[in-house]
Amino acid sequence: SQQGEEDPQALSIQEGENATMNCSYKTSINNLQWYRQNSGRGLVHLILIRSNEREKHSGRLRVTLDTSKKSSSLLITASRAADTASYFCATDAGYNFNKFYFGSGTKLNVKP
Amino acid sequence: EPEVTQTPSHQVTQMGQEVILRCVPISNHLYFYWYRQILGQKVEFLVSFYNNEISEKSEIFDDQFSVERPDGSNFTLKIRSTKLEDSAMYFCASEYGNEKLFFGSGTQLSVL
Repeated sequence: SQQGEEDPQALSIQEGENATMNCSYKTSINNLQWYRQNSGRGLVHLILIRSNEREKHSGRLRVTLDTSKKSSSLLITASRAADTASYFCATDAGYNFNKFYFGSGTKLNVKP
Repeated sequence: EPEVTQTPSHQVTQMGQEVILRCVPISNHLYFYWYRQILGQKVEFLVSFYNNEISEKSEIFDDQFSVERPDGSNFTLKIRSTKLEDSAMYFCASEYGNEKLFFGSGTQLSVL
């Protein structure tokens, strides 16, 4: 299966600290995306990085992509209690733009 | 901001009954998806739909499942004869074609 798998499964940090989550996948991709899910709600798109990009920033988010290692990381700097959520990476199927695979997510808890 | 709307938010049904989950995607979006998530864990791809036909489906999406876009605005998922293991949160998503998915808030399906 192509599914991205996030690591760690759970992460607990203090407000103000940085949070790093990782994602690994198995086959070639066109792009990789990160989504956030608040408890019991739908997923919200955070950032998309294409296979020819190595790093992307959006506000306090920094995403890296290493296609040789088939891995990505999401860094949230200066975390806030409101960042508490589950974070998922999503990969496409490489050959097909209309199929996106999600993993099990990283549950981030930011303590105030 | 436009959003994907799903109804109902909760659906309880007896095993063997048919259920229809409804979604109204964002109006100018072209690609439509159903995903499901069991117990806040892995987000599983079910099916993608484009130009009034299924473009991709997973192994989960067997003959008991069907999708329709009957009137150009609604997008429905039908489960013909529900099983206990169909209990999950079902998410509808849509995108314009830039691969950024917009998700609804989900329908929690409980099969008794």
